[in-house]
Amino acid sequence: QKEVEQDPGPLSVPEGAIVSLNCTYSNSAFQYFMWYRQYSRKGPELLMYTYSSGNKEDGRFTAQVDKSSKYISLFIRDSQPSDSATYLCAMSGGTSYGKLTFGQGTILTVHP
Amino acid sequence: DTEVTQTPKHLVMGMTNKKSLKCEQHMGHRAMYWYKQKAKKPPELMFVYSYEKLSINESVPSRFSPECPNSSLLNLHLHALQPEDSALYLCASSQGYRDRGYEQYFGPGTRLTVT
Repeated sequence: QKEVEQDPGPLSVPEGAIVSLNCTYSNSAFQYFMWYRQYSRKGPELLMYTYSSGNKEDGRFTAQVDKSSKYISLFIRDSQPSDSATYLCAMSGGTSYGKLTFGQGTILTVHP
Repeated sequence: DTEVTQTPKHLVMGMTNKKSLKCEQHMGHRAMYWYKQKAKKPPELMFVYSYEKLSINESVPSRFSPECPNSSLLNLHLHALQPEDSALYLCASSQGYRDRGYEQYFGPGTRLTVT
C-alpha cells in the first residue's frame, strides 16, 4: 500500500463547477501538506501549503486537512479551463521533513 | 519573487556525453533539491543540499553527480547516462528542511533525452 493515495482520474468538469480533489495517507507523522498544480511539460507550481489540521483559503482554492481521518482535500470554486492540469498532493513530517511524499496526481480537465 | 530558474530547457545527449544541468534561486533559500520525473508519475527525490552541503542522496547512480557551488546555485553533472534516464529533471528550493516542513518551490525543469 502506498503511503499517499490519490485518485489519478481523469476528472472532467464543466466550466464554473466546484472541483474536489482528495488524498488519503497512512503515515500519522505527516504534518505539512501541500498542493501543487502541474501543467503539461512544466514544473509543479505550489498552490497551497498547510500545517496540521484545518482549512486554508486562497482565492478560488480551499485546502482542508483532517488529520484524524488522514485525509486532505483541495476545492476549486468557479473552475476555469485554465485550471486544466495535473494536481499533486504532497506531504512531509516525522524524521524526513525535507522529503516530500507525493500522491500520484489527478488529471483535471475543465471544459468550456 | 518565488522563482527558480533552470537551464537548459531541453537537452539531448548521447550515452557517452558529459553534460550539466544548472539551477538558480535568489530567494535566500538554504535548501535545494534535485528531482527526476517520468511521464505521468510524481517527482522522485534524488538529492538534497542544505547550507551547500549534500544532506540526502536517495541511492542515485554515480553517473549523476550533484554540485552546489554556492547558496544560490545547484548543478547536476551527467555522464554515461542510459536511455532510461530520459525524464524531466526538476530543481526545487526551500527556506530550510531540517527543523520543520517548508514549502518547496520548483523550477520549470530540464527535459532530458538520452539517445
